[in-house]
Amino acid sequence: GQQVMQIPQYQHVQEGEDFTTYCNSSTTLSNIQWYKQRPGGHPVFLIQLVKSGEVKKQKRLTFQFGEAKKNSSLHITATQTTDVGTYFCAGPRAYKYIFGTGTRLKVLA
Amino acid sequence: DAGVIQSPRHEVTEMGQEVTLRCKPISGHDYLFWYRQTMMRGLELLIYFNNNVPIDDSGMPEDRFSAKMPNASFSTLKIQPSEPRDSAVYFCASSLNPLYGGYTFGSGTRLTVV
Repeated sequence: GQQVMQIPQYQHVQEGEDFTTYCNSSTTLSNIQWYKQRPGGHPVFLIQLVKSGEVKKQKRLTFQFGEAKKNSSLHITATQTTDVGTYFCAGPRAYKYIFGTGTRLKVLA
Repeated sequence: DAGVIQSPRHEVTEMGQEVTLRCKPISGHDYLFWYRQTMMRGLELLIYFNNNVPIDDSGMPEDRFSAKMPNASFSTLKIQPSEPRDSAVYFCASSLNPLYGGYTFGSGTRLTVV
């Protein structure tokens, strides 16, 4: 079945450094969504990418959808302590989304 | 809108007991999802409803788990009998259309079965 893998599983960065997480699907995706879950919290929807090669930005966050629509990335520029959490990508299977394994980001002040 | 409301926030129960988790979706959202999150298995979809009708329950672990949605504003996930391996955070999420705009998750119920 469809699998969505993310790397790395964990990432510790110094505050101010950049961070990137990668999402890879075993199948072509019609779209991909990204979520952030703060420690002890619940996943919060960040963005959806639909088009091949699409790039979207939200302040210091840059999201990219691969040309083949099987991979995606999230890049954070100059991390801050508020960026701490786990970032998930999710790919659709009909109307349900399969969540990736997540990348847990820790930012050291 | 108050968002997706789940209760209780925490539940500790003894093995063999019945557990009922509750969810109130956002008004007007036609889709409701139940997810389970553990360190080992991540976020797993258990079941989802569309217009109160169960559409896909392929993620429900076994017959001990059941879910209902008697009306558009209420859903329950029941585990009977509960086992220690059911310990997890259970999230309910709702959506107007999952393919556009994602899900809104509730705060979750942390279940501990001892």
